[in-house]
Amino acid sequence: SQKIEQNSEALNIQEGKTATLTCNYTNYSPAYLQWYRQDPGRGPVFLLLIRENEKEKRKERLKVTFDTTLKQSLFHITASQPADSATYLCALEGRGDKLIFGTGTRLQVFP
Amino acid sequence: NAGVTQTPKFRILKIGQSMTLQCTQDMNHNYMYWYRQDPGMGLKLIYYSVGAGITDKGEVPNGYNVSRSTTEDFPLRLELAAPSQTSVYFCASSLKGSNQPQHFGDGTRLSIL
Repeated sequence: SQKIEQNSEALNIQEGKTATLTCNYTNYSPAYLQWYRQDPGRGPVFLLLIRENEKEKRKERLKVTFDTTLKQSLFHITASQPADSATYLCALEGRGDKLIFGTGTRLQVFP
Repeated sequence: NAGVTQTPKFRILKIGQSMTLQCTQDMNHNYMYWYRQDPGMGLKLIYYSVGAGITDKGEVPNGYNVSRSTTEDFPLRLELAAPSQTSVYFCASSLKGSNQPQHFGDGTRLSIL
């Protein structure tokens, strides 16, 4: 069956450093992948979408890579700030116009 | 634009009671979804709809029902609440196709006691 894995352990980094979050998947080949941010008590908010023919995509301090050979996406936040602290979810296309979400990785940026 | 609005924000039910979780969107999106989110389990799709009058089951539909009489509204019905349905429920909407971003409401936190 299709599986998505995100590191369940929280990632703690110092302000100003680059945070790197990982999303691995098995047993399918999605044409695109999405990343969302979720704050406590709120719904997920869309950040970026990357297609399989796009190796890298950037938006301000965010960068996403998509390696279809490794079946992995990396999500980077450069010059991280305490306001970047949140849970980040990756999602891949499933069958029939549906998304399959990972469990998310909690990022904590401390001053 | 309000986006996706869910009501209520919190609710406590007794086992066996029924209730409807409301969801409305003002973005004229054809696609709407209901998810539940349990700690450490990620978002699981309950039901989805690709347009008014059309609904289909997701990954975890048992114990739930939905209807889609208008483009804007997509209520989720629990007929006989069970403790296993204690969760946070999120409604989302999108344009056609799963390559489109989904827009989420802020959820309904439901406890069944």
